Amino acid sequence: QQQVKQSPQSLIVQKGGISIINCAYENTAFDYFPWYQQFPGKGPALLIAIRPDVSEKKEGRFTISFNKSAKQFSLHIMDSQPGDSATYFCAASMFSGNTPLVFGKGTRLSVIA
Amino acid sequence: NAGVTQTPKFRILKIGQSMTLQCAQDMNHNYMYWYRQDPGMGLKLIYYSVGAGITDKGEVPNGYNVSRSTTEDFPLRLELAAPSQTSVYFCASSYPGTGGRLGEQYFGPGTRLTVT
Repeated sequence: QQQVKQSPQSLIVQKGGISIINCAYENTAFDYFPWYQQFPGKGPALLIAIRPDVSEKKEGRFTISFNKSAKQFSLHIMDSQPGDSATYFCAASMFSGNTPLVFGKGTRLSVIA
Repeated sequence: NAGVTQTPKFRILKIGQSMTLQCAQDMNHNYMYWYRQDPGMGLKLIYYSVGAGITDKGEVPNGYNVSRSTTEDFPLRLELAAPSQTSVYFCASSYPGTGGRLGEQYFGPGTRLTVT
């Protein structure tokens, strides 16, 4: 049973464009939704996270949009740069992040010049 | 702070051999986790611990064992290695709480294990 579904599996975006990655969850008890970024040969690192009391959170070029009724959330990367090329994972957990994360399968983003 | 450290970085095991993957953190985090990452499959939780002496199974615990005798260390033991355990293993830690970036999991650099 896959509790967090992520799409697309891979994404190619032109430099300066907008990258959009989507996730959907099933468990309505989830209340913490982070996005992790992973570069080849490295461990994942937290990029940005949102809790369901807000519909959007922005940090620099990265924005999470959250739709509680649809049980969906997405990551938008504005002005995408080659340095953003990485694998992105959405995740979810309960009790404000104090339970283990359930990860999506990941999206490999390539930003081309 | 070194953060989360893992050893070894790479290892090749023969079928049936055993080994321990080491994980240590110096951030005084209560929570620690072991995940495995297979291509295209995301990260799956093997075991986790909410404090010294307390461990619990995750989604894929079969073939693995853990112990947590100190806050800092969380070793993962593989008994009777099988080809299905070929994967990249990540250890992570977090500090419980709410607000800000509390609850954020910090990952180690990973151990790439091949079982042949």
